[in-house]
Amino acid sequence: EPEVTQTPSHQVTQMGQEVILRCVPISNHLYFYWYRQILGQKVEFLVSFYNNEISEKSEIFDDQFSVERPDGSNFTLKIRSTKLEDSAMYFCASSERLNYNEQFFGPGTRLTVL
Amino acid sequence: DAKTTQPNSMESNEEEPVHLPCNHSTISGTDYIHWYRQLPSQGPEYVIHGLTSNVNNRMASLAIAEDRKSSTLILHRATLRDAAVYYCIRQKGFNAGGTSYGKLTFGQGTILTVHP
Repeated sequence: EPEVTQTPSHQVTQMGQEVILRCVPISNHLYFYWYRQILGQKVEFLVSFYNNEISEKSEIFDDQFSVERPDGSNFTLKIRSTKLEDSAMYFCASSERLNYNEQFFGPGTRLTVL
Repeated sequence: DAKTTQPNSMESNEEEPVHLPCNHSTISGTDYIHWYRQLPSQGPEYVIHGLTSNVNNRMASLAIAEDRKSSTLILHRATLRDAAVYYCIRQKGFNAGGTSYGKLTFGQGTILTVHP
């Protein structure tokens, strides 16, 4: 069964450093998403991406964040200058359609900012 | 604001049915009702969704009240693997002319414990 994959599974970084989280969505999917979950808290939407541009973003997704689909398979989330409060699980998701959209989530990347 | 209300936790015994309620009294006519679950240390997993009619799939059934202000996720025979946090999510239908673009707004969900 096709699945969304994410790398790395765990990323440790120093405050102020840039990180890039990588995702490979399911191959025929057109809509891509990033969510995050701070430990013990709820899953929060960050951004949706379609047709090579951001469709919607949350207040969390400020200028420090960016997304990119550099080739036909990868979907990346970049945090330019990490803060302690960026420590969280980051989940990538993809869906085939917008309506009736079952989103398939990846296993997540645990980001730890020291 | 997820705009749904769910009990914080529920318990069940293995192989018994589980009915997980969700209140969405302010739902609008084109909002879909989605259920996702999150097993420990995993990403959310789609369970089922519906608009007006009851829905069944291999994982569960979704019973939607006639006025659509509430719904119930039914696991017909709970297994230990069903222990998870279950999220009931309203999502704007794109054909509403809205700009949802698929965003899912998660609440705290219901923690389901399944006892052997």
